[in-house]
Amino acid sequence: KAGVTQTPRYLIKTRGQQVTLSCSPISGHRSVSWYQQTPGQGLQFLFEYFSETQRNKGNFPGRFSGRQFSNSRSEMNVSTLELGDSALYLCASRTQETQYFGPGTRLLVL
Amino acid sequence: AQSVSQHNHHVILSEAASLELGCNYSYGGTVNLFWYVQYPGQHLQLLLKYFSGDPLVKGIKGFEAEFIKSKFSFNLRKPSVQWSDTAEYFCAVNAYNTDKLIFGTGTRLQVFP
Repeated sequence: KAGVTQTPRYLIKTRGQQVTLSCSPISGHRSVSWYQQTPGQGLQFLFEYFSETQRNKGNFPGRFSGRQFSNSRSEMNVSTLELGDSALYLCASRTQETQYFGPGTRLLVL
Repeated sequence: AQSVSQHNHHVILSEAASLELGCNYSYGGTVNLFWYVQYPGQHLQLLLKYFSGDPLVKGIKGFEAEFIKSKFSFNLRKPSVQWSDTAEYFCAVNAYNTDKLIFGTGTRLQVFP
């Protein structure tokens, strides 16, 4: 089975712009979670979707949003980008209580 | 609130040395426990996991971890490390039946030949 795929892999944006990241889970996985990884804060949970419904949300501002489509693919959106949003954004799909991670999208905000 | 502590931030070992990385969590209920590894330039990979049963779990690449409920600990061990084990190791916990993984801050392991 193919693993979790994320696009794009790298992204450079400027402050104030918005960005959309995409994640395709492992085939058959219906749950997708998003995490932010930074050197200072480590890995932090953003949100989780299951069957197109957000089931859990982390402590991030409303600028961070997401959605899931009927084919389980998920997108996350960050509006009004700030310098501090520079990070590696990881997507994970879950089966049987275990999450499998994608390679991430590295976002740099200038 | 749940939290995970990894006490060793940076560990340096020579090949063939034994490894033990500490992980403690705070949560009173049933938890699932994980160790993930992130090799340089690669994505997070699952090393091993504990849900229930035998508290000594074996993972890939010769790693094992022991769940000690009374100590809220889930330490990672390997009897003899290799240069290829150089990576960052993350302990994670999620409360039973939720998807939210709480990660520790990670331990950077450097193994020298």
